Amino acid sequence: AQTVTQSQPEMSVQEAETVTLSCTYDTSESDYYLFWYKQPPSRQMILVIRQEAYKQQNATENRFSVNFQKAAKSFSLKISDSQLGDAAMYFCAYRSRSGGSNYKLTFGKGTLLTVNP
Amino acid sequence: GAVVSQHPSRVICKSGTSVKIECRSLDFQATTMFWYRQFPKQSLMLMATSNEGSKATYEQGVEKDKFLINHASLTLSTLTVTSAHPEDSSFYICSAMSGNSGNTIYFGEGSWLTVV
Repeated sequence: AQTVTQSQPEMSVQEAETVTLSCTYDTSESDYYLFWYKQPPSRQMILVIRQEAYKQQNATENRFSVNFQKAAKSFSLKISDSQLGDAAMYFCAYRSRSGGSNYKLTFGKGTLLTVNP
Repeated sequence: GAVVSQHPSRVICKSGTSVKIECRSLDFQATTMFWYRQFPKQSLMLMATSNEGSKATYEQGVEKDKFLINHASLTLSTLTVTSAHPEDSSFYICSAMSGNSGNTIYFGEGSWLTVV
C-alpha cells in the first residue's frame, strides 16, 4: 500500500517570502500522480499543482512549483512571494495511474501554513 | 472547471435517526466517486469508493451497514448515515472522477454533520 508522509505539521512564512513544504511517499509503482491540495478555512479542497511521475520536468503553476525527486520519493512544494491568501492546510496526495479503486487519493496528514503580514 | 456539489452543507440530526448526503457532478459524468471523512485538524480519511451501477468498495474498518453508499446514476452518489450517533459527527467530503480519463478528481464543498 502507498503511504504519504508530511513531516511538518505547521509552517509559517512572512508575506512576500518563499516557503517550502515537504512530502515523501512510498510506493512500489513506477507510474503515478502526485498532487498538492490546499484546504482553506472554508474546507473546500483546491488543487494547487499536479505532477505525473513519468515526467521529469517539475510542474509549476504561477507562484507554486514542485521539486520532484522520483528516486528519493520526494515531492516538495515551493510557494514564492507568499500571500495572505495562501494561508491554509496543505495536503500532499498520491494516486496510482492504474484503474478501478486505485484511482483513490492517498493523503498525507497535512501542513498548516500560516502567512504573517 | 468541473463542479461537484454536495448537499446539504450542514445538517443536524438526532441520535438514532438517519441522514442522507448527496454528491452530484454538475457538468460531467462520474463513473467513480469517493467519500471521505475528516476530523478536526486531521487529514481526509477515505471511507469508500462508489462505482456507478455496482456496490461500493469500503475501506477497512468502515461499517458498510452504517454508512450506506448508493451510486445510482453517473451524476449522483449518496451517503446515508444510519442510526446516527454523536461520534458520527464529522465533516464528510465527496470527490468525483470525470469519465474514463481518470486524470482529474474534483471535490465537493463538504458537509458538516452534527448528531445531537
